[in-house]
Amino acid sequence: DAGVIQSPRHEVTEMGQEVTLRCKPISGHNSLFWYRQTMMRGLELLIYFNNNVPIDDSGMPEDRFSAKMPNASFSTLKIQPSEPRDSAVYFCASSFLVGTGELFFGEGSRLTVL
Amino acid sequence: QKEVEQNSGPLSVPEGAIASLNCTYSDRGSQSFFWYRQYSGKSPELIMSIYSNGDKEDGRFTAQLNKASQYVSLLIRDSQPSDSATYLCAALLGNDMRFGAGTRLTVKP
Repeated sequence: DAGVIQSPRHEVTEMGQEVTLRCKPISGHNSLFWYRQTMMRGLELLIYFNNNVPIDDSGMPEDRFSAKMPNASFSTLKIQPSEPRDSAVYFCASSFLVGTGELFFGEGSRLTVL
Repeated sequence: QKEVEQNSGPLSVPEGAIASLNCTYSDRGSQSFFWYRQYSGKSPELIMSIYSNGDKEDGRFTAQLNKASQYVSLLIRDSQPSDSATYLCAALLGNDMRFGAGTRLTVKP
């Protein structure tokens, strides 16, 4: 299996621009998670989906952030408009069963907002 | 108070020594606990899970859980330079996985 696939691996953009991060979970996994990692705040859960349905988005910082999962094999995290404080590594992870705790992480998307 | 607390380190041990990593959690409803390892510039990977009080051993790794004290630890025996990484403690509450800030471990040859 190819594992969790994220794109782009690196993104540099200017403040105010829209950013879209993409994720393809492992086939057969029912749960998908978006995390953000910074030196200051560590690994933070933004949102997770179970069977393509958003279950908990309480970690989404504000209305500038949105996430979708239109089907079992694809999810997006969008930031519009982006701000310098959004600079971080964004990880997507998937799990075969929600609640097992065994998350498989993608390689991450490193976002820099200038 | 963060839900999962770890000493950020850095923790440095000589090769062959025992590395001891500690973690506390605030929500007594947490049922399951995990240790993830993250090499610099890479993504986290699961190395241990523990669900009940006591010790769980897997090769050179031993996870310990004390629910009364809300305390989780990871021991790495015969530490190797390849163990140098950041170790993330995580607690599962319902379907919500919360991570600590991580402890950076360096094993010196």
